[in-house]
Parts: sequence; C-alpha cells; structure tokens
Amino acid sequence: DAGVIQSPRHEVTEMGQEVTLRCKPISGHDYLFWYRQTMMRGLELLIYFNNNVPIDDSGMPEDRFSAKMPNASFSTLKIQPSEPRDSAVYFCASWASWDTQYFGPGTRLTVL
Amino acid sequence: AQSVAQPEDQVNVAEGNPLTVKCTYSVSGNPYLFWYVQYPNRGLQFLLKYITGDNLVKGSYGFEAEFNKSQTSFHLKKPSALVSDSALYFCAVRAPSGGSYIPTFGRGTSLIVHP
Repeated sequence: DAGVIQSPRHEVTEMGQEVTLRCKPISGHDYLFWYRQTMMRGLELLIYFNNNVPIDDSGMPEDRFSAKMPNASFSTLKIQPSEPRDSAVYFCASWASWDTQYFGPGTRLTVL
Repeated sequence: AQSVAQPEDQVNVAEGNPLTVKCTYSVSGNPYLFWYVQYPNRGLQFLLKYITGDNLVKGSYGFEAEFNKSQTSFHLKKPSALVSDSALYFCAVRAPSGGSYIPTFGRGTSLIVHP
C-alpha cells in the first residue's frame, strides 16, 4: 500500500480564496482524521470520520472550514474563504481500530 | 477526558549518550500508548506502542519505552543517541473502547542530538 496520500503538498493562496485539500486513506481503514499543526497550537484534531460518516467536528475552528468523505477512499477539507491565520500544515491520517494511525505527508498551506 | 503531558518542549543530548523523552498520561481504564516521530517536513511516523504485556516495549530505530502504571508514564528511551534521531516526538494515549477511543496526542518534544 502506498500509505496515506495527500495533495497538494504545498499550497500558496491569497486571502479570500477557496482552498481544497485532498486525502486518500489506506485501503481497509475505517477511520479518517484531519489534523492541523502550527508552532503555536501544536497538533490539533479538526474532525474525524468513521465509515465515511463525520463523528466529531468540534475541532473545526470556524464555519469557513468544512470536510467531506464521499466514499471510503477519498476525503476533502475545504476552507472558504481562507485567511492568513489558516496558514499551517494540514495532516490526514487513517486508522483501523486494530492498528495504529498512519499519517500522510501533510499539505503546507500558506495564505497571503 | 484523557490527556497526555510531555513536560519538556525540548531535550538536548550529545551523540552517543542515552536519551529519555518523557510522557505521562491520564485515561480511564487500561491505556493504549503510542510514540510517533516527525522528521522535518514529514508526517508523523509510528515508532512503538504498548497495548498489554511486557512493560518494556521495543520499537523502530533502536527506541524503546517503558510503561509504568503506578506513575502513569510511558517514557521513550534509547541507549545511544544519533544525530539522525533529531526530530519531534509525540506521545499518544487512547482507551480500548468507549468515549476515549480516539487517540489524544501530546504537544510534542523536540529532540536535538549534538555531534
């Protein structure tokens, strides 16, 4: 398996633009997580899905953030409109409860 | 609610010396404990885990961790540090079931190994 795949790896955009981050989890994993990492806040859990259903989105910072998982092999995290304070590294991770979490390489987002 | 504390933001050690990265936890019931490592510009990578059994767990790259139930600790150790071990280390805990099923991560400890 290629592991968790994220795209793009780097994204630079201007304030107010829509940003879409993508994730392909490991096949067979029934949990998918979105995290955000910054120097100030460390690693924050934004939302997680179980069997494609959002279970807990209490970590999503604002209504500008939304996440979807239309099928078991794909998820998106969207920010609309983006703001400079959204600049961070966003990680996707997948997990089967009998296994450990596997993290993707991350998307480094810069909002100018 | 479960929690993880990594009391040191940074640990400095000379190459060849033993290293310890500290982790304490709080969780209802028996804990599942994990260590992850993050190299620059990379995602978190699994190092080792404790589920049950022997309190001393061995993992990748020569790392090991000792589970101490009475002290609620799960410190990461390595007998002889390498410069290439310099990275950010995360401890995580979860319960086997129930509301604390999802892993909780500590804030991370930056390990710097000096030549």
